[in-house]
Formats: sequence, C-alpha cells, structure tokens
Amino acid sequence: NAGVTQTPKFQVLKTGQSMTLQCAQDMNHEYMSWYRQDPGMGLRLIHYSVGAGITDQGEVPNGYNVSRSTTEDFPLRLLSAAPSQTSVYFCASSYQTGGPLNNSPLHFGNGTRLTVT
Amino acid sequence: TQLLEQSPQFLSIQEGENLTVYCNSSSVFSSLQWYRQEPGEGPVLLVTVVTGGEVKKLKRLTFQFGDARKDSSLHITAAQPGDTGLYLCAGEIGGKLIFGQGTELSVKP
Repeated sequence: NAGVTQTPKFQVLKTGQSMTLQCAQDMNHEYMSWYRQDPGMGLRLIHYSVGAGITDQGEVPNGYNVSRSTTEDFPLRLLSAAPSQTSVYFCASSYQTGGPLNNSPLHFGNGTRLTVT
Repeated sequence: TQLLEQSPQFLSIQEGENLTVYCNSSSVFSSLQWYRQEPGEGPVLLVTVVTGGEVKKLKRLTFQFGDARKDSSLHITAAQPGDTGLYLCAGEIGGKLIFGQGTELSVKP
C-alpha cells in the first residue's frame, strides 16, 4: 500500500494564482484532513472530512476550499493564493469514523511545500 | 490563541540526560496523542492516551494523561541522538484532532 500520497512535493505560486493540492489514500479511510505547518505554530487544521460528500471547517479555513467526491481523494484548493499561505501542507487520514482517535492514528503524507511570492 | 500549549518549544540536551515535555490546555479532550516528526516527513504516531491518569511506556519514553484529561507529559529517560526530532501533542475535541506547537528536541552525542 502507498498510504497517503500528496502531490506536488514543492510548488511556487505568484500572488493571485490558483492551484489544487492533491491528496489520495489507498487504505479505505473514512476520515481525511488537511493541516498547514508553520514555524512555532505546530499543525493547524484547515478542513476535514468524515466521509465522501461531507466536509467541515477546521481552525484556519479561510482562503481554502475542499471537496470529497470519493473516499480516496481529498483535494485542497487555493482560489487566489496569498503570501500568508506560504507553508508546508499535510494531508492525513484515519480509519475511524466519527473521530480520528481511539487507536486509529492519523496517517500523514510527506507534505507539499508551497511558496507564494 | 493556541488550544494546546506545548513547552518547551526548543530543547537541546546532551546524550544520557532526561527530559520532560508538557502539553497543557484549559479544554477537556476525549483522548490525546503524541507524534514524532522528522525533517521532510509527516508526523508518526507514538502513543494514544484515553483515560485520565493513564500512563503508557514505550521503551525509554513515558507518557502520562492528566487526571482531568486537560494535560499530558512526555518523559524521555537517558536521551539518545536518535531521539532528535519534533515532538507534537494532539488532542481530540469534537471529532477533530488539534495539535500543539511542537517541541524541537536536539540530543547531542
């Protein structure tokens, strides 16, 4: 199994450009989520999904859109990139529905490093 | 405002020393997890604690969940250079997993 696959690994955007960060998992996990990681801030939850067709906002959702049309894929869209969105983005998935824990750990991808100039 | 406050943010110690990392909140969590992250990779789960007062050991690492399920600690005994990395606590609240800021640990030989 590949686990959680994120593409691309690196991306440079100009302010105002749009792009989609891809995330796919092959573990049949119901729960998927997006985090951004910035120095001194830890991981902050952007959006999450407890199953296909269901998404919800996390701690820092502004400027990002998500959709969950299949169990496997959970893309993150930046409609108009801003320098404040320069960060490392992690996608994570978990088997447990209704909550990611109780011995159902989050499985993380290796991240997408995004720079917005 | 960070829901989970982790301290210290940076720790540089010599091989063989002991250390403790703290994770504190005013909120009650259903459970709490500790992750370790290496450069260029995503975090990897170390342990999950669920019951207030629970203590779990993983070789030289001891994890404790506070009685009120609002705080946790990670204690490493006789640290080794291989323990170097970013340690993150994460609490489950409302079906979401919220992370602390992380503790960057450097263990020098």
